[in-house]
Amino acid sequence: EDQVTQSPEALRLQEGESSSLNCSYTVSGLRGLFWYRQDPGKGPEFLFTLYSAGEEKEKERLKATLTKKESFLHITAPKPEDSATYLCGGYQKVTFGTGTKLQVIP
Amino acid sequence: EPEVTQTPSHQVTQMGQEVILRCVPISNHLYFYWYRQILGQKVEFLVSFYNNEISEKSEIFDDQFSVERPDGSNFTLKIRSTKLEDSAMYFCASLQGSYEQYFGPGTRLTVT
Repeated sequence: EDQVTQSPEALRLQEGESSSLNCSYTVSGLRGLFWYRQDPGKGPEFLFTLYSAGEEKEKERLKATLTKKESFLHITAPKPEDSATYLCGGYQKVTFGTGTKLQVIP
Repeated sequence: EPEVTQTPSHQVTQMGQEVILRCVPISNHLYFYWYRQILGQKVEFLVSFYNNEISEKSEIFDDQFSVERPDGSNFTLKIRSTKLEDSAMYFCASLQGSYEQYFGPGTRLTVT
């Protein structure tokens, strides 16, 4: 059964305090691993899709990396506006993880 | 910037009633999706639609659910006889050809 597990469930950071979110997956025939951001009461917003181990993508303070078993979303010097739930998941049969709720405190 | 729109934003219905949730995907997109998110839980895939037919569906998408693209712009999700457990946020998404899905703002369905 396809599974995506994210950790931690919640993370509280001080503004400027860098950290990483983890996404481990067992998705058979994975065609891509994605990261989305979701604000309360809104639809997910696309961040990245990674296709092969070793691939990295960056967007502003976010960098996503992919290995054969897991992906990391690194957040460098976060700001309060980065507070959101970050979702990862896999494409074969689309499978989302439960998310990491990030709170960045000024 | 083009965006996916959904109507209504909130739908309240009684158990056993039929509901139709509407979505207008981005105009040049080819693939369309419905997801649901029960409050406090993860986003769950329901169905994908391409070339006027269902390309994939989950175990959740049983005979009570159907999708349709009645014209060149709308994409609908019908629930024939709603149950209390159908209460959730329903998201429509579309994509052109890459794996970058654009999600709509969602319809909150409340079944009483």
